[in-house]
Amino acid sequence: GESVGLHLPTLSVQEGDNSIINCAYSNSASDYFIWYKQESGKGPQFIIDIRSNMDKRQGQRVTVLLNKTVKHLSLQIAATQPGDSAVYFCAELIQGAQKLVFGQGTRLTINP
Amino acid sequence: ETGVTQTPRHLVMGMTNKKSLKCEQHLGHNAMYWYKQSAKKPLELMFVYNFKEQTENNSVPSRFSPECPNSSHLFLHLHTLQPEDSALYLCASSQYASPSTDTQYFGPGTRLTVL
Repeated sequence: GESVGLHLPTLSVQEGDNSIINCAYSNSASDYFIWYKQESGKGPQFIIDIRSNMDKRQGQRVTVLLNKTVKHLSLQIAATQPGDSAVYFCAELIQGAQKLVFGQGTRLTINP
Repeated sequence: ETGVTQTPRHLVMGMTNKKSLKCEQHLGHNAMYWYKQSAKKPLELMFVYNFKEQTENNSVPSRFSPECPNSSHLFLHLHTLQPEDSALYLCASSQYASPSTDTQYFGPGTRLTVL
């Protein structure tokens, strides 16, 4: 199942390069954020999360940065591989709410 | 792969048809979700079930009717749908219905086309 159609922002990078995918959120009361990866034909898959009391969190080849001042979230993928090709989207949880609000997504394409 | 399966994977139906989507999770979770993913919109939460009880209905039209007979199974009954209901319908599950602590695991989705 394709996650989204023709109107996604896209990012193309060379294999081996680093990728940075950005997300702007709108609610200053959001206190928890998640990045998901969705490959073609699959459902979204949790990558990494961060809480609002942190500015940075690292995983395996991925780093999430949170800038609360400008309400901006980014996902950095180091040494991108062909398997990183997917749609990436962020989700925010507004403090006190019990549901996630998802962003539109960015399609990442890895060029050989 | 994720422990959440959905059937069918693809469904084409007319506006007067009645069909059902099925979701099953093999993770021992207690919360299950239906999401809608359209081509031009972000992922939208439709329904949440926690311990078989519906805890969230995100203003979903009544032509979508969920059913959760037990914590492992979730259905979405469809009737009198509109073409704009065509989308990818995703099921997810989590240990409990707390998004800030419980990771949601998604199924592969059912691609629905309404003619």
